[in-house]
Amino acid sequence: SQQGEEDPQALSIQEGENATMNCSYKTSINNLQWYRQNSGRGLVHLILIRSNEREKHSGRLRVTLDTSKKSSSLLITASRAADTASYFCATLPTGGGNKLTFGTGTQLKVEL
Amino acid sequence: NAGVTQTPKFQVLKTGQSMTLQCAQDMNHEYMSWYRQDPGMGLRLIHYSVGAGITDQGEVPNGYNVSRSTTEDFPLRLLSAAPSQTSVYFCASRYEGGSGTEAFFGQGTRLTVV
Repeated sequence: SQQGEEDPQALSIQEGENATMNCSYKTSINNLQWYRQNSGRGLVHLILIRSNEREKHSGRLRVTLDTSKKSSSLLITASRAADTASYFCATLPTGGGNKLTFGTGTQLKVEL
Repeated sequence: NAGVTQTPKFQVLKTGQSMTLQCAQDMNHEYMSWYRQDPGMGLRLIHYSVGAGITDQGEVPNGYNVSRSTTEDFPLRLLSAAPSQTSVYFCASRYEGGSGTEAFFGQGTRLTVV
């Protein structure tokens, strides 16, 4: 079964608005990562937040992590049409290893 | 620096045929993985490896075999293709860091089984 579930499944906003996506997961994690996928392409890593971190920023991206609720959120500020893509959270379980597990994704559409 | 290279990009198979999806990385990453992506299902882990000679099953391993004879290569074999294996397949690699590292993905192989 999927480790992560994103919410909403789809999101449509206007350019300049902020976009927020949420991810819930089931088990203890080492870290949580967010990836972007443009249509028909491979996934590209955006940001990684470790289990002992609560918030992280990278450019227009802000990620929060609440391990007590097993949830994370990705905020994209001042969105652009080029941000149109699918966004996935991925979790690495406690203990590390290589079982990086992805959620079902949020499809973001940013309209001009 | 090519990163992660997958071949072929597209493939059509008949039911029962076998084939190998190739994946190669030039970043000297210990960890490599295969995922399949189906509409509404996200990415599901098929098999993964933590180093040459070591492989393990992921979430959906049935019908697939892997081997890891070198650090660079991690081929995925479909033993007897079925229509349920129609999907987009992604290979990923990452460096084995103490507290986890980002994954690098290939561009995918779109497989259709008829």
